[in-house]
Amino acid sequence: GQQVMQIPQYQHVQEGEDFTTYCNSSTTLSNIQWYKQRPGGHPVFLIQLVKSGEVKKQKRLTFQFGEAKKNSSLHITATQTTDVGTYFCAGPKIQNSGGSNYKLTFGKGTLLTVNP
Amino acid sequence: DGGITQSPKYLFRKEGQNVTLSCEQNLNHDAMYWYRQDPGQGLRLIYYSQIVNDFQKGDIAEGYSVSREKKESFPLTVTSAQKNPTAFYLCASSWDRVGEQFFGPGTRLTVL
Repeated sequence: GQQVMQIPQYQHVQEGEDFTTYCNSSTTLSNIQWYKQRPGGHPVFLIQLVKSGEVKKQKRLTFQFGEAKKNSSLHITATQTTDVGTYFCAGPKIQNSGGSNYKLTFGKGTLLTVNP
Repeated sequence: DGGITQSPKYLFRKEGQNVTLSCEQNLNHDAMYWYRQDPGQGLRLIYYSQIVNDFQKGDIAEGYSVSREKKESFPLTVTSAQKNPTAFYLCASSWDRVGEQFFGPGTRLTVL
C-alpha cells in the first residue's frame, strides 16, 4: 500500500544539539500531521500543515511542508531531555486504488534520545 | 473532561483465549481506529470505523474483530487466530478520516 517514509529511524544527540526528522511521500498530500509519543506513552498531536511551503513554529520546534506537498520536516533547536520520544508524521493516503477512500497513514517514526 | 479511555492498561491472557480490549470516547467523534505497536515499530492499522455500524479492515486485520454498535464505543477482540498477539494496542478517534487523531493511553497485552 501507499506509504509515508520517515528518516532517520533513530537519532541520538547530546543535549543542546539540534535534531531534524524528515517525512517523504511519493504522492501529493493534502496535509501533513506530526505527533510525539513519549516512552511508555501514547501519540499526541503536535501540528497540522496544509499549505504548500508552510512553516510553523512551536517554541523550539519548527515544522515545514514542502513546496510540492510531498515532504515535510520537523526541526528541534537545542534539544532538551524533555524532547525524548518518537516523532511520527502522518498524511492522508488513498486506501483503495482507483477509489476516493482516504485514511491517515503514519510513518514509522523517528526515535530521539538525548544524552544530558 | 473529554477524551478516550482504554481499559485495562495491562492485560495478560493464556494462549488460545480470545480477549476483548475496550475503547470509549466522549469527544463525539465519528471515526475510530485501532492500531498495533510493537517495540521500536510504528503504528499499524488494524481496523477503523467511520460511522456507527460500519467498519473497515486496516493493514493487519487478520486474527482481529471489531464492532461499532455505539458512536462512543469501538471494542477490539483479539482472537486465538492471531499468531503473535503480544503487543501495545492503541485506540484513536477523529472528527473525520484524515483529521487530527486523539489517542487513548493504550493497552499492553501479553499472551503467555
